[in-house]
Amino acid sequence: NAGVTQTPKFQVLKTGQSMTLQCAQDMNHNSMYWYRQDPGMGLRLIYYSASEGTTDKGEVPNGYNVSRLNKREFSLRLESAAPSQTSVYFCASRERFAGEGAFFGQGTRLTVV
Amino acid sequence: AQSVTQPDIHITVSEGASLELRCNYSYGATPYLFWYVQSPGQGLQLLLKYFSGDTLVQGIKGFEAEFKRSQSSFNLRKPSVHWSDAAEYFCAVGAPGGSEKLVFGKGTKLTVNP
Repeated sequence: NAGVTQTPKFQVLKTGQSMTLQCAQDMNHNSMYWYRQDPGMGLRLIYYSASEGTTDKGEVPNGYNVSRLNKREFSLRLESAAPSQTSVYFCASRERFAGEGAFFGQGTRLTVV
Repeated sequence: AQSVTQPDIHITVSEGASLELRCNYSYGATPYLFWYVQSPGQGLQLLLKYFSGDTLVQGIKGFEAEFKRSQSSFNLRKPSVHWSDAAEYFCAVGAPGGSEKLVFGKGTKLTVNP
């Protein structure tokens, strides 16, 4: 089982460039999430999607957009990257309305120079 | 909105000693509660979860956690720590029947001395 797959694993961007982080899950989960992880800050929720066609802001949504393309895929877009967006990004999924935990991808390490 | 506090940023224990990592949550009702572990350079792995029933839950790798409603706590415990337990541990809270938002604490880094 692939679980949650994130691409790319590593990326270096110049300030002002744009990019899309891709996430796909094969567990037929309804809910999907994007987090960023920074030292000493834990995981902070950027956006989440409770079901196909819906998205909601998390704790730190500024500078990001998301698309829930279908039930499997949830992408995160940086329109104009800034050094403050240097971070490790994690995608996760879990079943809605259940006490199940989320399954995480391996992360994307993004550096903005 | 739910929130999570992990009061200890870094804990050091000796191998074989017992461990307790603290987690306090804020939510108006009984939440979903989770503990995750992250080894360096890795993703997050679910250790255990609570959403109803027995307040003492068992997880993988010999970990357990106890839900205490009166203290709004969900502390993680292990009777005897192994060197391989060195990692970062995250507590998370979800909202049953609510927004599906899943919020994490800032984590506790565990160092194990030989």
